[in-house]
Amino acid sequence: GENVEQHPSTLSVQEGDSAVIKCTYSDSASNYFPWYKQELGKRPQLIIDIRSNVGEKKDQRIAVTLNKTAKHFSLHITETQPEDSAVYFCAAQVGGFKTIFGAGTRLFVKA
Amino acid sequence: DAGITQSPRHKVTETGTPVTLRCHQTENHRYMYWYRQDPGHGLRLIHYSYGVKDTDKGEVSDGYSVSRSKTEDFLLTLESATSSQTSVYFCAISESGQGWEAFFGQGTRLTVV
Repeated sequence: GENVEQHPSTLSVQEGDSAVIKCTYSDSASNYFPWYKQELGKRPQLIIDIRSNVGEKKDQRIAVTLNKTAKHFSLHITETQPEDSAVYFCAAQVGGFKTIFGAGTRLFVKA
Repeated sequence: DAGITQSPRHKVTETGTPVTLRCHQTENHRYMYWYRQDPGHGLRLIHYSYGVKDTDKGEVSDGYSVSRSKTEDFLLTLESATSSQTSVYFCAISESGQGWEAFFGQGTRLTVV
């Protein structure tokens, strides 16, 4: 069935450094790839998304890249800050309505 | 925040009892989803709805049923709760099924003892 793999499961960086989270998906028909951030005890919230007709999208300190041939997409956070510490989920929309999530990456930003 | 409310927020129940979780939205969005969140598994889709009385199964639907009799309400029922269904359950809504942001509720922490 459809699958989204996410790496790493845990990532620790120093404040100001960059963080990269990578995901791969299995269904080549997937056409929408959102990223969600979940702070401790709170609901997941969208931070950025990319559609299959775009290779890269940037919003201030965060960017997402998509390689459809390799079925691979990544989240890049530059100039990390302590408030970036959270769990990040990638996802891929498959079969029209279903959004399948990766297992999550717990990001720690050390001050 | 999108108008989406889950109830109850916390529940402890015994094995074998039925449990119903409610998701209520005020956004008039067509699509509604139920996910469960467990450590190491992320968010897994249980069931989703694409309209009143229109529902379909997700990745982990066994042991769960859903109903949607009104646009604003999406109910998740555990027919006979088991310990493996201890989890945090999130409801989500989206305006469109394709390529649109999903807004999540606050979550329901369910413990089956």
